[in-house]
Amino acid sequence: AQSVAQPEDQVNVAEGNPLTVKCTYSVSGNPYLFWYVQYPNRGLQFLLKYITGDNLVKGSYGFEAEFNKSQTSFHLKKPSALVSDSALYFCAVRALTTDSWGKFQFGAGTQVVVTP
Amino acid sequence: KAGVTQTPRYLIKTRGQQVTLSCSPISGHRSVSWYQQTPGQGLQFLFEYFSETQRNKGNFPGRFSGRQFSNSRSEMNVSTLELGDSALYLCASSSPGTATDTQYFGPGTRLTVL
Repeated sequence: AQSVAQPEDQVNVAEGNPLTVKCTYSVSGNPYLFWYVQYPNRGLQFLLKYITGDNLVKGSYGFEAEFNKSQTSFHLKKPSALVSDSALYFCAVRALTTDSWGKFQFGAGTQVVVTP
Repeated sequence: KAGVTQTPRYLIKTRGQQVTLSCSPISGHRSVSWYQQTPGQGLQFLFEYFSETQRNKGNFPGRFSGRQFSNSRSEMNVSTLELGDSALYLCASSSPGTATDTQYFGPGTRLTVL
């Protein structure tokens, strides 16, 4: 079975400060890891993903994430947060085996609030 | 490339009725997944279809069903609606098993059951 944990329901940060949203996962097989963002009454927007290769992945809007295999983590980061980054963030994992793939498993989401 | 489209965007139904939601994936994507999103339960996986076959299924009652057509378009049906079915229903398409595997989401259908 696969699972994703986002340990913080909400992250509060002042504009201009670094932002980190935490994610840990458990999966059998090779993980594909993703981050999505959702603004109110909208669908989820893809930010970035890790498939293989460099552990540091850069994505949209200045976000990046670091894959840490030993800690089974994939934390989302942004060096300098903007008020417009206030949204709901989801981490997701999909396990791949040699001949198949599992469903996308999403975390519970972390609400990010950036104050001016 | 056009994104994932969902119709209708808003629906109001009464208890006991049934509803059908539609999803058109990104061109070339053969997988369509459906999710239910509510404030209390978060994002819940319903099912995934690939090449007209259900590949994965979540823990929802049999009132929730889906299908996929040969052009990859998908429909989701909910029969005998309950108040608790009020939610945002999201559809996502992808190309699983490839290096470009990423789910792209539609804007959702907001279902209200009265």
